[in-house]
Parts: sequence; C-alpha cells; structure tokens
Amino acid sequence: EIVMTQSPATLSVSPGESATLSCRASHSVYSNLAWYQQQPGQAPRLLISGASSRATGTPGRFAGSGSGTDFTLTISSLQSEDFAVYYCQQYSKWPHTFGPGTKVEIK
Amino acid sequence: EVLLVQSGAEVRKPGETLKISCRASGYNFNNHWVGWVRQMPGKGLEWMGIIYPGDSETRYSPSLQGQVTISVDKSISTAYLQWNSLTASDSAMYYCARHRMQYGEYSSFDPWGQGTLVIVSS
Repeated sequence: EIVMTQSPATLSVSPGESATLSCRASHSVYSNLAWYQQQPGQAPRLLISGASSRATGTPGRFAGSGSGTDFTLTISSLQSEDFAVYYCQQYSKWPHTFGPGTKVEIK
Repeated sequence: EVLLVQSGAEVRKPGETLKISCRASGYNFNNHWVGWVRQMPGKGLEWMGIIYPGDSETRYSPSLQGQVTISVDKSISTAYLQWNSLTASDSAMYYCARHRMQYGEYSSFDPWGQGTLVIVSS
C-alpha cells in the first residue's frame, strides 16, 4: 500500500496571502495525484487531478505541481472560502490512498 | 448534470446489518468506477473500496477486506455498501464518489455524493 503524508497538519494564513501545501508518497505515483478541498459539513470536491490539471470550476489561484513522490498545492491570494481541509490522493496503485489532510485556517 | 445521491442517515445497533445506497444520474453508469470513502468523526478520508458497474469487478482496501461488501444494481444505476454485522467503530460518514475518467482504473474522484451518516450504538 502506498502511504501518503501531508505537511503541515495545520497552516495559519492571513486572507490575501499565499499558502503552500505539501504531499509526499512512499513510492512513485507518477502524476496520478489529486487534490481535494473539504469545507466543514460538506463532501470533498476535486480541485486538481493529474498533479497539475485544475478541475472544472477550480479557480486559477489554485496550482498543483510535482511528480513521482513529491507534490505541492499552492493557493495564491487566499479568499475566505479557501479556508478548509485539503487532501491529496494517489490513484496510481490500489488502494487509492489519501493523505491525512492539511487544515488551512485563518491567521 | 452528473449527480450521486446517497441514502439517508442510519442508526443501528451493534451486530445488525445495513446497506446504504448511492444512486447515479447524468452519465453512463456502466462506464465509470464508483468508490466508497469513510470519514470517521473528526478524522480524514479513508478509501474503502470500489466497483466497476460494467462487470462488477471490485477492489477493497486490505484493511477492510471482508468487513464490507460493495455491489451494484445496474438496472437502477445504484451502488451499495453493505455490512453484515455492524460495530461501534463503523460509526462514520460514508461518501460515494465516481471516477472522473471513463473505464480506467487510474482516476481521481469527481463528483462525490453528499454523504450518509451511519451511527452504531446500543
């Protein structure tokens, strides 16, 4: 099983600033990496797939990068609706494991 | 519009059986894998398993193999997650989600259902 780790666990950011979230896989997942956003009380929604392709409706301030084992989600100029929990998921090998999440909170 | 609509919240006692559902619409149900994701209270997302409706091929997380059963009814475009004997540790929110890409095993989840809350308590 591929183990996904995310850092930091919590990120405190002021509105308008940028945030950088990291995700690491225990084995190469190539570019088979997705990022999801989960707001409190809501289902997760897809932000990024293929490590860097924004899903339909994902604002341009979200950017994914990386390949192999190291990935980054950058959120530029954070808006109020961006404060949420972010999960990465590898879909290179069954089971398609998730990372533990990074909570982005208001500083 | 692609939609996944899940069945409502359930309260059960330990040892009871349960089957929750995920009804799909807006796309060819046979062509996209549909998975189940568990979220225990205050915790992260856990990939449980997945099924390809076209031929009912199923994959499970090794940690959950044998504890749940995933199935489909193609005639009504619905996927199911079933327990034969619930325990308190099964209390969680359960999401279904569709593979974004047709046919392929290697895909992200999009969209997601709204979630089904399962509470197991004596």
